[in-house]
Amino acid sequence: GQQLNQSPQSMFIQEGEDVSMNCTSSSIFNTWLWYKQDPGEGPVLLIALYKAGELTSNGRLTAQFGITRKDSFLNISASIPSDVGIYFCAGLRGGGADGLTFGKGTHLIIQP
Amino acid sequence: GAGVSQSPRYKVAKRGQDVALRCDPISGHVSLFWYQQALGQGPEFLTYFQNEAQLDKSGLPSDRFFAERPEGSVSTLKIQRTQQEDSAVYLCASSSGTRGSPLHFGNGTRLTVT
Repeated sequence: GQQLNQSPQSMFIQEGEDVSMNCTSSSIFNTWLWYKQDPGEGPVLLIALYKAGELTSNGRLTAQFGITRKDSFLNISASIPSDVGIYFCAGLRGGGADGLTFGKGTHLIIQP
Repeated sequence: GAGVSQSPRYKVAKRGQDVALRCDPISGHVSLFWYQQALGQGPEFLTYFQNEAQLDKSGLPSDRFFAERPEGSVSTLKIQRTQQEDSAVYLCASSSGTRGSPLHFGNGTRLTVT
């Protein structure tokens, strides 16, 4: 099935560093979402973006909905050990609650 | 309930067996989705319900896959004559159904077909 292009696939960083990951698509989405998934669990919603150009923060996390509606990025500042996990971007096209299209994930690994 | 609940958490089936996976969505959530997540991949859409109506089943990989939500609440995903390529985590998600409403996921059922 169709998936978004998410990069990087994995990141090895030191605790305290800032992290940036992004997602691009060849088609337009009306909503962008960022999820985090820990092993053995389902994805947990981090940030939802509803308008092109929107910049939203949730604690140390900041995400932006690209102007073209074809991309989004997620930044994590001052990473801590519990930030370890897999981050997924996801896009919603329709006006109603339709199915999400997911990226393949960014695996964040933090070295002490 | 407080969140989306799925059962069982783990299921091992011999090839050819039928399996049934259950999802209890968040109370009052109109929309319910099933996703399949292969190892190292993002979730991929299988099917979508609005209340009891199955509005989209375009992601179901074959006619061995069948989903139902007869009373608009609990949903069951059934896989008949399981094959090894069906091994994956099956995630259920629900949402309120309003415009752009985000999906809330359960912890999934990990299916292993031997």
